[in-house]
Amino acid sequence: AQSVTQPDIHITVSEGASLELRCNYSYGATPYLFWYVQSPGQGLQLLLKYFSGDTLVQGIKGFEAEFKRSQSSFNLRKPSVHWSDAAEYFCAVSDRKLIWGLGTSLAVNP
Amino acid sequence: EPEVTQTPSHQVTQMGQEVILRCVPISNHLYFYWYRQILGQKVEFLVSFYNNEISEKSEIFDDQFSVERPDGSNFTLKIRSTKLEDSAMYFCASNQRPVGNEQFFGPGTRLTVL
Repeated sequence: AQSVTQPDIHITVSEGASLELRCNYSYGATPYLFWYVQSPGQGLQLLLKYFSGDTLVQGIKGFEAEFKRSQSSFNLRKPSVHWSDAAEYFCAVSDRKLIWGLGTSLAVNP
Repeated sequence: EPEVTQTPSHQVTQMGQEVILRCVPISNHLYFYWYRQILGQKVEFLVSFYNNEISEKSEIFDDQFSVERPDGSNFTLKIRSTKLEDSAMYFCASNQRPVGNEQFFGPGTRLTVL
């Protein structure tokens, strides 16, 4: 069955430090992959998506993600985190509907 | 920029009451979805809708739930007799096609069942 795993429930980083959020998926065909961000009490904002082509995709707010088929991963990265990046991050795979990971809560220390 | 809207933003109801959550998808989109997120948990798919009928539903979407597109713009989720465990954030989404196309989400309706 299709699934998404985000191994890290909670991550804390210092402002200005680099960030990597992990996402692994299980999907039989070519996956369409997404990262969404949710600030407290807010809706779901698309950060970036992978459909095909270049395996390194750029998104909004300085985020990028790399699709690695051999590792079934789609990890999200940012070279320098800002305090405003503190939020919940969700990885999802599309099977017509979206199948979601549990999310990673990011805290940023000043 | 077009966006998905949802009303109300917050709904409080008594257990056993019926609620209707409303969504206005982006106007040229054809596929519509409802998801829910119980506090502190992951987002879960409820139902997808296309061409005035349900195209897929999850096991969560039992007989207490129904969806409707009553006119050319609204897409509604009805819960017939709410339970405490229906308390959640409900998100509506839409897109032009179900495969290879991102879903655009509304801001959500927080449903609280007392």
